[in-house]
Amino acid sequence: DTAVSQTPKYLVTQMGNDKSIKCEQNLGHDTMYWYKQDSKKFLKIMFSYNNKELIINETVPNRFSPKSPDKAHLNLHINSLELGDSAVYFCASSPRGGGSVYGYTFGSGTRLTVV
Amino acid sequence: SQQGEEDPQALSIQEGENATMNCSYKTSINNLQWYRQNSGRGLVHLILIRSNEREKHSGRLRVTLDTSKKSSSLLITASRAADTASYFCATDNNNDMRFGAGTRLTVKP
Repeated sequence: DTAVSQTPKYLVTQMGNDKSIKCEQNLGHDTMYWYKQDSKKFLKIMFSYNNKELIINETVPNRFSPKSPDKAHLNLHINSLELGDSAVYFCASSPRGGGSVYGYTFGSGTRLTVV
Repeated sequence: SQQGEEDPQALSIQEGENATMNCSYKTSINNLQWYRQNSGRGLVHLILIRSNEREKHSGRLRVTLDTSKKSSSLLITASRAADTASYFCATDNNNDMRFGAGTRLTVKP
């Protein structure tokens, strides 16, 4: 029943490793997003995809690569992890146009800790 | 980049009091949304107000929007301890949503 599900919920890994976070939505939304929330709780948009097409690509290191195999999935792959990548990563989805009264729907987050 | 500034950064009130949080933003918007985040949890959508609306209500929530001043406010009336959370405003412009820094609200029983 979960509308936006992301896995894993927690991820602890060593510097230099490569890891992926998966996200799936069952709402039929056209647009999906990745946001990063840092230790000060600032939420920053990283990427958005509309029906598998990259729409927003903020100034994010190219070690981060999103992949959308279909409009219900948006995965985030991170190469050569660094300490500064430690954060909570949120996946979200919205209908086309974004302005539904229900807003955006967020996953529960993936807490990434790089040691 | 961050879109909005929220004020105050932190707010502490007694149960039953009203809480007002303000948000200012810089660019044009299609709509503005407010979200709540409980500690260690995801974001929950509270209310959306479109750029051509000035005020909206939902239960104990009241949101205002002044596009000429590029500002919005969220009022929570008759607050409860369960309202303790961080509240974020977010501006949406054609599926590009940017968040403010958030207000940490503590409601004391």
